[in-house]
Order: sequence, then structure tokens, then C-alpha cells
Amino acid sequence: AQTVTQSQPEMSVQEAETVTLSCTYDTSESNYYLFWYKQPPSRQMILVIRQEAYKQQNATENRFSVNFQKAAKSFSLKISDSQLGDTAMYFCAFMNNNAGNMLTFGGGTRLMVKP
Amino acid sequence: DSGVTQTPKHLITATGQRVTLRCSPRSGDLSVYWYQQSLDQGLQFLIQYYNGEERAKGNILERFSAQQFPDLHSELNLSSLELGDSALYFCASSVGGLAVTGELFFGEGSRLTVL
Repeated sequence: AQTVTQSQPEMSVQEAETVTLSCTYDTSESNYYLFWYKQPPSRQMILVIRQEAYKQQNATENRFSVNFQKAAKSFSLKISDSQLGDTAMYFCAFMNNNAGNMLTFGGGTRLMVKP
Repeated sequence: DSGVTQTPKHLITATGQRVTLRCSPRSGDLSVYWYQQSLDQGLQFLIQYYNGEERAKGNILERFSAQQFPDLHSELNLSSLELGDSALYFCASSVGGLAVTGELFFGEGSRLTVL
């Protein structure tokens, strides 16, 4: 079974600064996806960024980028130029391509962006 | 708007009762997933249906059951409710059991409070 660990329950960052959220996972699979989801106070789960395990290049979506270290099973999220609207819970998630797209989530990191 | 619709948004009931949560997936999506988000257990995968058939099962209690109907909407039935069943229940959908994108689209959740 896969496990996903987010070691930072809470983090804070000043507006316009950069913050990195950590995530590690454990799997014996070689073909999988990794995701970061954002859950603002509205409760909606919003996909932030996705990484395919077979791709060596780190995914980037505007101010969001990841540092994917496959050998170390690490998948951190970097948020640049933090904005007040980035305040939310962030969940790292793992999907095994051979298990019907079931997502396994980490425990989440609560990020507070301060003005 | 993810295109996934969940009803009801909020539900308050008493211990021992039974409730039904409903989910309409995005147009064209064949897979439906149910997740439970509670304070102590985080986001837990409950069950997945693909085109009407059960595809994967997670930590779903025997008191809980689900089904996917021919029109692809899904219902999650929770019976003999206990205080610990109070949680946010998410439905998500994807294109298929082995979706190319690997992405799940989440509804806004149904908040269940058991008193």
C-alpha cells in the first residue's frame, strides 16, 4: 500500500515571498502520478499541479512548481510570490496508474499567507 | 466549478439514522469516487465505481454502501450513524478507470453532522 507523508502541519509566509511545502511518499510502483491539491475555506478541492513519475522534468504552473526527486520519493511544492488567496490547506496525493485512479492523500499542510 | 454536483451540501441528523448522499459526475466521466474527510482521519478513500460497477474499495465501513446508476450518478448510503461519522464527504469523478490525465474532479462535498 502507498503512504503519503506531509511533515509540516502548518506553515506561514509573508505575502510576495516564496514558500516550500514538503511531501514524501512510499511505493513499490514505478508508474504513478503525484498531485498537489488546494482546499481553501470554501472546502472545494482544487488541483494545483500534477507530475507524472516517468517525466524527469519538474512540473510548473505559473507561480507553482514542484521538485520531484523520484529516487528519494520526495515531491515538494514551491509557491512563488505568495498571495493572500493562496491561504488554504494543501494536500499532496499519490495515484497508482494500475489501481483505478484511486488517490492516496497526505495529512495536509495548512498554509497561511500574511499581509 | 468542477462540474461535479453533490447534494445535500449540509445535513444534520441523529445517531442511529440513515442518510443518502448523492453525486452527479462531470458530463462524460464514467468513474465516481467517494472520499471521507474528518479531522482525525484526514482524507480517506471509501469506494470507486466505474460505469456502474464497483472498481476499488478502501476504508469503507460495513454500515456504508454505495452504488452507481445507469445514468452514472452515484449515491452513498450511510446507516446506523454514529457521532464519529460526522465528516465532509467528497465525490470525485474522472474520465475512466485508467484516465489518461490521471486527474480527479471533486465536488464541493456534503457536510454531515451526527448529533
